[in-house]
Amino acid sequence: EVMMTQSPGTLSVSPGESATLSCRASQSVSRNLAWYQQKPGQAPRLLIYDASTRATGIPARFSGSGSGTYYTLTISSLQSEDSAVYYCQQHNDWPLTFGGGTKVEIK
Amino acid sequence: QVHLVESGGGVVQPGRSLRLSCAASGFTFSAYGMHWVRQAPGKGLEWVAVMWYDETVEKYADSVKGRFTISRDNSRNTLYLQMNSLRAEDTGVYYCARRGQTNSWLDYWGQGTLVTVSS
Repeated sequence: EVMMTQSPGTLSVSPGESATLSCRASQSVSRNLAWYQQKPGQAPRLLIYDASTRATGIPARFSGSGSGTYYTLTISSLQSEDSAVYYCQQHNDWPLTFGGGTKVEIK
Repeated sequence: QVHLVESGGGVVQPGRSLRLSCAASGFTFSAYGMHWVRQAPGKGLEWVAVMWYDETVEKYADSVKGRFTISRDNSRNTLYLQMNSLRAEDTGVYYCARRGQTNSWLDYWGQGTLVTVSS
């Protein structure tokens, strides 16, 4: 099973600043990596798949990068509505696995 | 637009069974694989199972293998999860989600249904 480790656990950022979230896999996932945003009481929403492809309707200030075992999600010009928990997920091997999440707080 | 609605959750005693349903609309259900993902209270996401669009492939998390069965009825645009021998650790919100077009990212999610396993 591919273990996914996200860091930091919590990130506190001021509006307008950028946030970079990290996700590390226990083995290469060959850019088969997705990112999701989950707000309290809501279902997750797909942001990024294949490491860097934005899903339909996702603003350009969300960007993904990485390869092999290390991936990042960058949120530029943070807005209050970006306050949420963000999860990475590998879709390279079975079982699918998620990271533990990074909570982004807006100062 | 894509719409997924789960139902069938509730409170059930340990060892009993429950069947969840996921009604799909707004897309060609028979052309997409479908997943179940769960989330224990206050915890992260855990993938549970997937079934290919044509039912040729089904896979499960080790934690549910042998107890849960995923199925679908393409004529009814509905996905199911039969959960047997339920345990307290199966408690959580269960989401159905659509598989991405070419790989297993999850591009649309339902709102979830809560399953509570308790005596």
